[in-house]
Amino acid sequence: GQQLNQSPQSMFIQEGEDVSMNCTSSSIFNTWLWYKQDPGEGPVLLIALYKAGELTSNGRLTAQFGITRKDSFLNISASIPSDVGIYFCAGNGGADGLTFGKGTHLIIQP
Amino acid sequence: ETGVTQSPTHLIKTRGQQVTLRCSSQSGHNTVSWYQQALGQGPQFIFQYYREEENGRGNFPPRFSGLQFPNYSSELNVNALELDDSALYLCASSPSGPNEKLFFGSGTQLSVL
Repeated sequence: GQQLNQSPQSMFIQEGEDVSMNCTSSSIFNTWLWYKQDPGEGPVLLIALYKAGELTSNGRLTAQFGITRKDSFLNISASIPSDVGIYFCAGNGGADGLTFGKGTHLIIQP
Repeated sequence: ETGVTQSPTHLIKTRGQQVTLRCSSQSGHNTVSWYQQALGQGPQFIFQYYREEENGRGNFPPRFSGLQFPNYSSELNVNALELDDSALYLCASSPSGPNEKLFFGSGTQLSVL
């Protein structure tokens, strides 16, 4: 089946630093999505990408859909304490629903 | 706040029992999907319903079944519970047709003892 490799697994950064995480796949996806999950909550959609090469921003977040359609990255600029959480990439597998990565745990040290 | 509500929030069952989880989708959304999230993992697709018909299924056995009602709310039923079924079960709705971006509820935490 389809698999997503998400890295890094966890990140310890200082408040104000920029963050970068990425996701690679063994298969092509037509849509890439990035979600954030806080403890005790469901994932919340951050950014959706629909075209290869697409670069999309949402406030301090920027994500890109790789040209090969097998990868995507998410950048967070000037991190703040509320950015703490688990970030998931997800690819649209058609009738197989979304395929999620294992997540990147973001921890911010004041 | 996604407008997707799930009940109950927590549930404890014993091995072999049956469980029903419920989900109310966001107003105007006609597609509902269910995901299982084990501890430390990403959500895993169980199945999806579009206009009351199953429209895609992940790699889960038949003892995982579902329903979608005319008001687009949904149920997930799991029979013959196993210890490995312990997980957070997430319901997600989307606005139009399958495979659109999903809006998740807060989930039901199921513990099987």
